[in-house]
Amino acid sequence: KNQVEQSPQSLIILEGKNCTLQCNYTVSPFSNLRWYKQDTGRGPVSLTIMTFSENTKSNGRYTATLDADTKQSSLHITASQLSDSASYICVTLNTDKLIFGTGTRLQVFP
Amino acid sequence: DARVTQTPRDKVTEMGQEVTMRCQPILGHNTVFWYRQTMMQGLELLAYFRNRAPLDDSGMPKDRFSAEMPDATLATLKIQPSEPRDSAVYFCASGFGEGYEQYFGPGTRLTVT
Repeated sequence: KNQVEQSPQSLIILEGKNCTLQCNYTVSPFSNLRWYKQDTGRGPVSLTIMTFSENTKSNGRYTATLDADTKQSSLHITASQLSDSASYICVTLNTDKLIFGTGTRLQVFP
Repeated sequence: DARVTQTPRDKVTEMGQEVTMRCQPILGHNTVFWYRQTMMQGLELLAYFRNRAPLDDSGMPKDRFSAEMPDATLATLKIQPSEPRDSAVYFCASGFGEGYEQYFGPGTRLTVT
């Protein structure tokens, strides 16, 4: 069954600290993997899109990695800011269908 | 700057009533998606269109939900009759296809009492 699992479900960190969010998928065939950031009360916004041939992609303080062999991805946030408080959703593209994870809720405290 | 717009932003209605949600995709995008998000299920794809033609509506309860694109600037999602279990946030997104970037609207928060 095509699934995307994310961990942890929620995370609390202090401002300025780094953190890493995990995504494991069992999707096959696999076309690409995306990370979205969703602020409370808003629609998701794309952070990165990676194809199976890409290992890493950065967007400012966000760095996504992808291991297509182990079917794992991570999103690393460097020097967290209060504005990073949001849900982060991992999404894979299976042929023509997007498979969504349930997200990691990140809270950054001062 | 270009963005997807959705109306209404909030809707409270009673069970059995008809609900219509509207979406204006980004001009030039040829693919429009409708999603539903709940705390329990996360984001679920309901239906999507390419060049105004429905491509996949397998995620949608067909007995009560319907989605249309009357023209390239308007997509609608209708629920008739609405039920309390339909309470969720409904998102519209547009882009150039499933493999490409999708731009989400702000969502319509639906509450059915």
